[in-house]
This record gives sequence, C-alpha cells and structure tokens, in this order.
Amino acid sequence: NAGVTQTPKFQVLKTGQSMTLQCAQDMNHNSMYWYRQDPGMGLRLIYYSASEGTTDKGEVPNGYNVSRLNKREFSLRLESAAPSQTSVYFCASGLSEGNEQFFGPGTRLTVL
Amino acid sequence: GENVEQHPSTLSVQEGDSAVIKCTYSDSASNYFPWYKQELGKRPQLIIDIRSNVGEKKDQRIAVTLNKTAKHFSLHITETQPEDSAVYFCAEAGLLLNDYKLSFGAGTTVTVRA
Repeated sequence: NAGVTQTPKFQVLKTGQSMTLQCAQDMNHNSMYWYRQDPGMGLRLIYYSASEGTTDKGEVPNGYNVSRLNKREFSLRLESAAPSQTSVYFCASGLSEGNEQFFGPGTRLTVL
Repeated sequence: GENVEQHPSTLSVQEGDSAVIKCTYSDSASNYFPWYKQELGKRPQLIIDIRSNVGEKKDQRIAVTLNKTAKHFSLHITETQPEDSAVYFCAEAGLLLNDYKLSFGAGTTVTVRA
C-alpha cells in the first residue's frame, strides 16, 4: 500500500497563477483533510471531507477550493495564488470512527 | 490551532534525561488527544494517543497523561535518545457530525544533546 500520496512535491507560482494539488489514498478511508503548515503555527485545517460527496471548511479556507473526486482522491485548488499562501501543504486521511490521521509527504509551495 | 495551547515551543535536553511537553484545550466535549512526531522534512506521524476514558497510557519510553477536569494533557519521553529530536504536536478532536476534526498545537521542537 502506498498510503497517502501527494503531487507535486515542490511548486513555485507567480502571484495570480492557479494550480491544483492532488491527493490520493489507498486505505479505504472515509475522511480526507487538507492542512497547511507554517513556522510556529502548527498544522491548520483548510478543508475536509467527512465522506465521499461532502466537503466543509476548516480553520483557514479563504483562497482555496476543494473537490472530493471519489473516495480515494481529494484535490485542493488555488484559483489566484498569493504570497500569503506560501506554505507546506499536507493531505491526510482517516477512518471516521478511528480518529488517527495518516499524512501524505507534503507539497512545498512558494508564491512569488 | 486556536483551541490548543502547547508549551514549551522549544526544548533542549541531555541524552538520557526526560522531556515533558504540555498542552491545554478549551472544548470540554473533546475526547480524543493524539500526539504526532515530525522529523525534519518528513510528514507528521502518530506516536501515541489517549481517549477521555483513560488517565494515562504508556508505550515503551513515551507516555501521555490526561486531566479532563483541568483540560490539559502531557507527553513524557524518558531516557531520551538522539532519534527523539523532532517537532512534536499535540492535538484534540472535537466531534463534528460523524467526523473528528483535529485541532493542533503550535508544536514543540525537541533537541536531544549527545
């Protein structure tokens, strides 16, 4: 099992450009999450999907959109990137009733 | 996260000594408290967790204690080794509908000196 995979691993954007971060899991988990990690601020939840077909906002959703494409895949889209979105982005998945979340390897995004 | 405070932000210990990290939370409905370890450049990984019906849990050199009345929980690492150097995050789960949404502390950077 690959667990949770993310693409790309690194990305540099110019202000105003758009991009989609991809995430997939092969553990048959119902729930999937997108976090951003900034120095000194821990992991902050952007969006989550409790089950296929549902999505909801987390702590810092502004400037992002998500799509739960199917049970395996959960993508994060930046429509118009801003320097404040420079961060490391982690996708995670978990069983709704199990609580443990498994993280992907992360995407390091720089917006110039 | 805004619901969890974690202290200290940095911790340096001599190899073989103990390390203690403390977290406080505000939501009295929280009932799940995991700890994640993140090595430099790697993803966070769960090292231990505790649920509100238990006061203490141990796994080899690591232990977690929970005080629900005071709303705080702590991670204890005994006999620290160089490979314990990492950033540690506490978290708490607030039940939302049928899913648990984790709120993370800001992290503690632990350095074990040889």
